[in-house]
Amino acid sequence: NAGVTQTPKFQVLKTGQSMTLQCAQDMNHEYMSWYRQDPGMGLRLIHYSVGAGITDQGEVPNGYNVSRSTTEDFPLRLLSAAPSQTSVYFCASSYAQPGWVSEAFFGQGTRLTVV
Amino acid sequence: DAKTTQPNSMESNEEEPVHLPCNHSTISGTDYIHWYRQLPSQGPEYVIHGLTSNVNNRMASLAIAEDRKSSTLILHRATLRDAAVYYCIPSSGSARQLTFGSGTQLTVLP
Repeated sequence: NAGVTQTPKFQVLKTGQSMTLQCAQDMNHEYMSWYRQDPGMGLRLIHYSVGAGITDQGEVPNGYNVSRSTTEDFPLRLLSAAPSQTSVYFCASSYAQPGWVSEAFFGQGTRLTVV
Repeated sequence: DAKTTQPNSMESNEEEPVHLPCNHSTISGTDYIHWYRQLPSQGPEYVIHGLTSNVNNRMASLAIAEDRKSSTLILHRATLRDAAVYYCIPSSGSARQLTFGSGTQLTVLP
């Protein structure tokens, strides 16, 4: 059982480039989300999805797009990378909203540097 | 979301119990109390959660004060692998996210 898989693990981008961070889960979870974690800080929600075809914004959505065409996959797209987007990105999934009784499962993270 | 107060850091000796406190005095009556931990260079990992009564699982125990304004995560025998940042997260059922504060950095000494 792989859980939540994120690719790539590391990425360096130049300012203005675009890229997609991949996230896949094999637990048939409806709820998926993307967080970013800046050095020494807690995680902040970027976007989330409550099921295929349904997405919504979190606390810090600017500069990022998401879509959810399947239950398993929830990619995060950086439209035009900026140095302020240098961070560690975590994808998470749970069978229901994680503020309820559901345990959230996190991926290993993607460490992104924008130069 | 309720505000939380946790010590910035704590130390423990290996194989001894550890009590990690959390104050959440503004918690509402329907908020669950979740604990997650983050090992170095890894994503957060669920530890335990509860509502009113104390909870036990294979990883830890959660003691919740009768007035629910504080809780304590108990690791019964700390190991080196338990060195991590521990986050206390009160959260309502309608919450879209888990709100992570700065947590407590636990150091386990051999």
